[in-house]
Amino acid sequence: QKEVEQNSGPLSVPEGAIASLNCTYSDRGSQSFFWYRQYSGKSPELIMSIYSNGDKEDGRFTAQLNKASQYVSLLIRDSQPSDSATYLCAVEDPGSSNTGKLIFGQGTTLQVKP
Amino acid sequence: DTEVTQTPKHLVMGMTNKKSLKCEQHMGHRAMYWYKQKAKKPPELMFVYSYEKLSINESVPSRFSPECPNSSLLNLHLHALQPEDSALYLCASSHGQGSQPQHFGDGTRLSIL
Repeated sequence: QKEVEQNSGPLSVPEGAIASLNCTYSDRGSQSFFWYRQYSGKSPELIMSIYSNGDKEDGRFTAQLNKASQYVSLLIRDSQPSDSATYLCAVEDPGSSNTGKLIFGQGTTLQVKP
Repeated sequence: DTEVTQTPKHLVMGMTNKKSLKCEQHMGHRAMYWYKQKAKKPPELMFVYSYEKLSINESVPSRFSPECPNSSLLNLHLHALQPEDSALYLCASSHGQGSQPQHFGDGTRLSIL
């Protein structure tokens, strides 16, 4: 059973702090990793993709990938109340014959307190 | 605004009704997906179409019937649904070549009476 694990939270951080969200995955063959943000009652929104080991930065967001340790993380700098949402980690299933099938984690709920 | 458009946004239907959910994308994507999402749970994959052919059916009950009329359109036909089928139904699309991210529509919130 291929798994993607996330702490469900809630993760509570004060406004302006760094929020750190973590994700581990079980299939060592996975090559593509995505972070989605989902506001309550809305659909998931892609915020980061990462394919290579190391860091990838986009504005206040940094994704970090370590394939040897099978974890991927998302850092949100200068957290804002508008960042309060559920963050879904998604990993491409390498056994899905190039269909792009994703395995989702359960999501981490982030609360940014003003 | 999303580049994947789903209609209707809300749907209430009885267990004997037949209805369809529609999804459209104009990004030239060749893979399209249907997901079901219950409250406080991640999206659950139902079907994958790749180059207009059904490539994955995740053992979905036959009361859900997908259709891909062309590369831009994806339908989900519903018949004789059960109350437990009430959920947010999400459509997504991706390039379909290699490891490309999926982009989601706003979803259809379905309630079964």
